[in-house]
Amino acid sequence: QKEVEQNSGPLSVPEGAIASLNCTYSDRGSQSFFWYRQYSGKSPELIMSIYSNGDKEDGRFTAQLNKASQYVSLLIRDSQPSDSATYLCAVRSFRGSARQLTFGSGTQLTVLP
Amino acid sequence: EAGVVQSPRYKIIEKKQPVAFWCNPISGHNTLYWYLQNLGQGPELLIRYENEEAVDDSQLPKDRFSAERLKGVDSTLKIQPAELGDSAVYLCASSSRGRRGTSGDGYNEQFFGPGTRLTVL
Repeated sequence: QKEVEQNSGPLSVPEGAIASLNCTYSDRGSQSFFWYRQYSGKSPELIMSIYSNGDKEDGRFTAQLNKASQYVSLLIRDSQPSDSATYLCAVRSFRGSARQLTFGSGTQLTVLP
Repeated sequence: EAGVVQSPRYKIIEKKQPVAFWCNPISGHNTLYWYLQNLGQGPELLIRYENEEAVDDSQLPKDRFSAERLKGVDSTLKIQPAELGDSAVYLCASSSRGRRGTSGDGYNEQFFGPGTRLTVL
């Protein structure tokens, strides 16, 4: 089992729809969770961080965390073609004394005009 | 505020040659990370520095990879000799050490540089 799992996609949604991206993780001790956006040929860009159970909203983005289910998601409302990218889920897990950010393989999102 | 700076952006070398990558983190960020990213995968940590100390290098292939951060600011990652399988994007990231109330575990968000795309022929 991978430490952080995401559906690789591709996920296609029409412009204006809600895109829902999901991520599960295996380390129950994880406390910090992040979503990065990565355009093709570019480096990851941090778009959301969440540390507590529940929802966190920032503009068109909402991150949702459920530690009991070891599940974190990202909702993108009013999706735009410019949102087309790979979305990486990252979890700060603990290996011994090391605090390590572990990434999923990413979900490729395409927003169709 | 300047972001994480990396150079070169692209490097093409023949196998068995040495190669080095350079990173300058965001000013004031004392934690520096080197990641490797293969196509279609998420970044994988190679080494993490707290100031000048390498505190997590368990994923670094030490037979051919080395890294240093002598003055606790800039860092260099070296591969000698390079192999075909080393072709990937090498990413540098940095973060500040926050208060526990900031992020829940005392570490703030990581910000990535543009990366170096290495091709080994």
